[in-house]
Amino acid sequence: ETGVTQTPRHLVMGMTNKKSLKCEQHLGHNAMYWYKQSAKKPLELMFVYSLEERVENNSVPSRFSPECPNSSHLFLHLHTLQPEDSALYLCASSLGSSGGAGAKNIQYFGAGTRLSVL
Amino acid sequence: DQQVKQNSPSLSVQEGRISILNCDYTNSMFDYFLWYKKYPAEGPTFLISISSIKDKNEDGRFTVFLNKSAKHLSLHIVPSQPGDSAVYFCAAVPSGGYQKVTFGTGTKLQVIP
Repeated sequence: ETGVTQTPRHLVMGMTNKKSLKCEQHLGHNAMYWYKQSAKKPLELMFVYSLEERVENNSVPSRFSPECPNSSHLFLHLHTLQPEDSALYLCASSLGSSGGAGAKNIQYFGAGTRLSVL
Repeated sequence: DQQVKQNSPSLSVQEGRISILNCDYTNSMFDYFLWYKKYPAEGPTFLISISSIKDKNEDGRFTVFLNKSAKHLSLHIVPSQPGDSAVYFCAAVPSGGYQKVTFGTGTKLQVIP
């Protein structure tokens, strides 16, 4: 396994279900991110974790609940989602988490989870 | 309010010719810019970046140009190859704080053999 791995790759869930997305990075990075990509929209940053501490919550509804038990793993717990939450959810990691230039801030992405909410 | 814009959703180029992908931004706090490339069923992969203190960065067939006064950057690929066919995202990072990357909507490049 190399890089950033996301599971599952595809998920279909009803509005009353609870499910979790998992992300694992094998790069020794200290920061991890969740993004949402809806059709014909840019990637939207949802959450940023730096050294297992959530440092950014980009006005995301509470039905999305992130968890970062250690610097290698990141989860996104989903509960009572709406059909408009159907999207591609991408996880990324980087060595550093500060703003500005620098190779340590380059983010490496997983392949994403394609979520459909019925 | 979209702070990073890629106004061309798609671009077709003949193999061997130059591909030019454009990106405009509105936030003057951005000081680091990146291009990512995405194949179907894969996540975006980093391609090339440029800091606001430079106006050009080159890496093999890929060159990124930054015009700060116009708040415009472009990615040049020369010569273009069929394997370059992908969606290209422009991204920008502000100085300071935590890394809040803002992405454009992407440009789908097709290189025709």
